[in-house]
Amino acid sequence: GAGVSQSPSNKVTEKGKDVELRCDPISGHTALYWYRQSLGQGLEFLIYFQGNSAPDKSGLPSDRFSAERTGGSVSTLTIQRTQQEDSAVYLCASSLHKTGGEAFFGQGTRLTVV
Amino acid sequence: AQSVTQLGSHVSVSEGALVLLRCNYSSSVPPYLFWYVQYPNQGLQLLLKYTTGATLVKGINGFEAEFKKSETSFHLTKPSAHMSDAAEYFCAVSDNTDKLIFGTGTRLQVFP
Repeated sequence: GAGVSQSPSNKVTEKGKDVELRCDPISGHTALYWYRQSLGQGLEFLIYFQGNSAPDKSGLPSDRFSAERTGGSVSTLTIQRTQQEDSAVYLCASSLHKTGGEAFFGQGTRLTVV
Repeated sequence: AQSVTQLGSHVSVSEGALVLLRCNYSSSVPPYLFWYVQYPNQGLQLLLKYTTGATLVKGINGFEAEFKKSETSFHLTKPSAHMSDAAEYFCAVSDNTDKLIFGTGTRLQVFP
């Protein structure tokens, strides 16, 4: 596709369940980012993949959060044993690996934990 | 590690007035600086960016920002606000690893 695609667009889950959020970056983009957007919190950095390098996981809030990127393309963000405070919009972005390159964002997945 | 501070979570201006959204950054290396805009119920899109060269950067919709190294600032301005400028604006910084860090955002309201 022409842009970054995220699925599902909305997800409602029960507390304690696991969820998987998917991101399809723009073809050829080697950099992929996950952010969490909560009301009043801005965009919280979660994890950053760059080509074949080890991902920068420094933003993951707890060990319940993990992400992988298969074949340098599609990425999945997994949240285990969801909590109500995990409710937020999860945004994925991708960019070409060039200095100062623009990051292109998907529309996000709105996660609601009930 | 780089970081961004946006002063003022909400800014309100009258239509036709100057818009000034503040951004200060911290970076141990020469930074790359960005402003993104998020219109209601839409995704984030790039407004403008500074990488190297001219410190005054012009973006879409009449916005511009000036990189001031001595002040570690990258404030966003527009001479005359329009109703359609109402949105949330995010400042971001990256270094030579391309890791992109955002500020907490500033919501701009424009009154008629």
